Amino acid sequence: AQRVTQPEKLLSVFKGAPVELKCNYSYSGSPELFWYVQYSRQRLQLLLRHISRESIKGFTADLNKGETSFHLKKPFAQEEDSAMYYCALSGRYLPRTHNDMRFGAGTRLTVKP
Amino acid sequence: ETGVTQSPTHLIKTRGQQVTLRCSSQSGHNTVSWYQQALGQGPQFIFQYYREEENGRGNFPPRFSGLQFPNYSSELNVNALELDDSALYLCASSLGLAGGEAYEQYFGPGTRLTVT
Repeated sequence: AQRVTQPEKLLSVFKGAPVELKCNYSYSGSPELFWYVQYSRQRLQLLLRHISRESIKGFTADLNKGETSFHLKKPFAQEEDSAMYYCALSGRYLPRTHNDMRFGAGTRLTVKP
Repeated sequence: ETGVTQSPTHLIKTRGQQVTLRCSSQSGHNTVSWYQQALGQGPQFIFQYYREEENGRGNFPPRFSGLQFPNYSSELNVNALELDDSALYLCASSLGLAGGEAYEQYFGPGTRLTVT
């Protein structure tokens, strides 16, 4: 079964400190992993996905298949990074029938000045 | 290019009633997914429509049903409402599927449903 676990509901760091939001998953096949972010009063939006291997707004995430993890990291947190972050998984298989996304419960990040 | 819109923004229904929520896809998108987000939880996949046909379903009972129209807008219908159906309902549109890779989903602002 697909499952995404975000062990921290709340995470608070000071501006300029490193931040790591944890995400662990379980999936029997080859997954696609995503991080979505929701800023205050805004809609849910994609932050990054593992297949693109991009760094967005200074955030990176590496898929570790051995540890089944996809932790989100940023070396120097900014106040504008304060938001709700969701890790999500989509099964990647052929022929694909649908790309249902399984979300974790989310981590609320607060960056203090 | 217009984004995903949902209506209404919020509504209140009584247990046992029926409700219809609406979603307009982002321009050019042919796939719509619906999610239920209970308070303090992440979104849970209800179902997906691709070119007017249901294309996958999560662990929701049959009283949750949907439609997708030729213009790719969509409706979510919930019959016999229960108190636990109170949640934020999110719609997301995307380009669909290609080569087994998921396209990015663009989310609407959601409809807040309260069942009393």
